Parts: sequence; C-alpha cells; structure tokens
Amino acid sequence: AQKVTQAQTEISVVEKEDVTLDCVYETRDTTYYLFWYKQPPSGELVFLIRRNSFDEQNEISGRYSWNFQKSTSSFNFTITASQVVDSAVYFCALTYAGNNRKLIWGLGTSLAVNP
Amino acid sequence: DSGVTQTPKHLITATGQRVTLRCSPRSGDLSVYWYQQSLDQGLQFLIQYYNGEERAKGNILERFSAQQFPDLHSELNLSSLELGDSALYFCASSVEWTGGGEQFFGPGTRLTVL
Repeated sequence: AQKVTQAQTEISVVEKEDVTLDCVYETRDTTYYLFWYKQPPSGELVFLIRRNSFDEQNEISGRYSWNFQKSTSSFNFTITASQVVDSAVYFCALTYAGNNRKLIWGLGTSLAVNP
Repeated sequence: DSGVTQTPKHLITATGQRVTLRCSPRSGDLSVYWYQQSLDQGLQFLIQYYNGEERAKGNILERFSAQQFPDLHSELNLSSLELGDSALYFCASSVEWTGGGEQFFGPGTRLTVL
C-alpha cells in the first residue's frame, strides 16, 4: 500500500529560524515520485518540488532545500531563515508509475512563522 | 496563477440538494483530477479523466459523478448532499495521465452544506 506520513501536525517558529518538515513514505513500487505542495491561508495548492525515485540528489532553491533518502524512505523539507510569508500548510505527496497519477497525500504540517 | 480555473469559488447549499462544480484545465492539458479536502480526511483523490475518458477512481461516493467534455473542461456532480460533504474541492490538470509530472491545481471550490 502507498502511504505518506507527516508526523508533525503543527510547528511554530520565530522568524529567521530554520525549520525542517518531515515526510516519510511507504510504497512497494520501485518507480515513484514525491512532491511537496504549499497551501497558504488563501487556500490554493502551490507546487514546490518533484523528485523521482531514481534521483537522490538533494536540491536547494533559495531558502528551500529538500533531502531525499531512500534508505529511510524520507523526503524532508527545510526552510532556512524562515519568514512570516512561509506560514502555510505544507503537504508531502506520492504518486507512482502506473496507469494513473493520482496523488496520495500526507495530512500536512501547519507552519506558523511568528515575527 | 496555475492556469486552472474552477467555478464557483464558494457554494452554500442545503442537505439533499445537488450541485455541479466546474473546472477548466490549463491550455494543452488533457488530464483532469478531482480531489476533496476535508478537515477529518485531509486531501483525497476522487477521480481522474484523460481526454474525455475516466482513467482512475479513488474514494468517490456513488452520489458523486464526474465527466470531461470534448473541450476538456470537467464537471463534478454531487447529489443528495450531506453535511459531511462540506469540503474544499480541487481540480488539477496535467499534460499526461501517467508518469510523475506535476499537477497544476485550481483555486478550489469551497462547498458548505447546511
């Protein structure tokens, strides 16, 4: 079965702190894809990153970085020097190479960055 | 702006009623997905269409149905509404129906059943 677990329900930090959001996934497929989406208070879902199962390179995009480790089935997301605008719910999601591409979602981590 | 549009943005209705949610995918995208986001169940995949054909079904109730029209827009029909159907309904689109490309999400329709 495919499953995504985001154990942290809520995180609160002070601006400029670094914060890591955890994501652990389960799948029996060897080819799969992992995603992070951001849902700000306005409600839309904003794509942040995609990673396929054959690419374990970490990625950095500005203040955002992602650490993908197949050995621990984790795809963690770090925000460096957090800002108030980073306050949102962050979702980790999984899909696999099959005859459809439905996303399987974690329950999300609500991040509050306080000034 | 993802390029995916959804109407209406908000919908308030009563139990037992029927509503239709509409989605227009990004230009060039052939695949449309519907997701439901509720407080108790989180984000759940409902159904997927590709170029007018149903490709996958998720946790979609029998009271719900969807279709994708020749112009590629999609509608999600919810009938015999119950209080528990109150949720945010998202439509997403992508170019293909397999593989791991990203899905682009619309702004969602917030349904409130009273």
